[in-house]
Amino acid sequence: AQSVTQLDSHVSVSEGTPVLLRCNYSSSYSPSLFWYVQHPNKGLQLLLKYTSAATLVKGINGFEAEFKKSETSFHLTKPSAHMSDAAEYFCVVSVDSSASKIIFGSGTRLSIRP
Amino acid sequence: DAGVIQSPRHEVTEMGQEVTLRCKLISGHNSLFWYRQTMMRGLELLIYFNNNVPIDDSGMPEDRFSAKMPNASFSTLKIQPSEPRDSAVYFCASRGAGGLVNEQFFGPGTRLTVL
Repeated sequence: AQSVTQLDSHVSVSEGTPVLLRCNYSSSYSPSLFWYVQHPNKGLQLLLKYTSAATLVKGINGFEAEFKKSETSFHLTKPSAHMSDAAEYFCVVSVDSSASKIIFGSGTRLSIRP
Repeated sequence: DAGVIQSPRHEVTEMGQEVTLRCKLISGHNSLFWYRQTMMRGLELLIYFNNNVPIDDSGMPEDRFSAKMPNASFSTLKIQPSEPRDSAVYFCASRGAGGLVNEQFFGPGTRLTVL
C-alpha cells in the first residue's frame, strides 16, 4: 500500500536561509509524487510533480525536489527563504500509476523569521 | 480560465439541517474529487468521479453524505442531516485527461460550520 510521511510538522527558518522540508514515501511501484502549498485560508496550489522522468524536479517560486528511490524520499528545498513562503506544505503520493487517486501527507507548516 | 469554482465559500448551519456544497470544474477536465480537511484528520478524499461516474466513494463517512455529478462540469456534495462533527473545510479538485500523469487543481474550499 502507498503511504507518505512528512517528518516535521513545523519548520522555522530565517529569511534568506535555505529551506528543507522532508518527505518519505512507501509504494509498491514507482509512484508519482507531488508537493502542494496551502497559504492561510486558501486552496492548494501545485508546486511541482515527479512522474518518473528527471529525478530533480524544479517547481514554482524557486522550489525544487529530488526523488531518491534508494532512500524513498522526496524532500523539498529552496536555496533562500522569502517571507511569502510561509504556508503549509503537503507531500503527496499517487495510489495508482495514473495518479487518479492521491494520498496527502500530514503537512509541514513553514514559518519564516525576519 | 477561472479555475475550480466552489460555492458557498462559507456556510454556517444548525445541526440537523441539510447542507449542499457546489463545485464547477475547469473547462475540459473530466475528473472531479471531493476532499475534507480537518485539524485532526488532515486532508481526506471523500469521493471521486471520472467522466461523471463515481469511481471510489470509500471515503464518504456515512449515508448522511451523498455526491452527484449531474453533468460534465458540475458537482454537488450534500450532507443530510448535518452534525457538528461535519464542520471542516471541503475542497473540490478537478483533473484533466490526456497526459500520462495529471495533477489535480483545487478550488478555494467551503468552510462549513455546523452548530
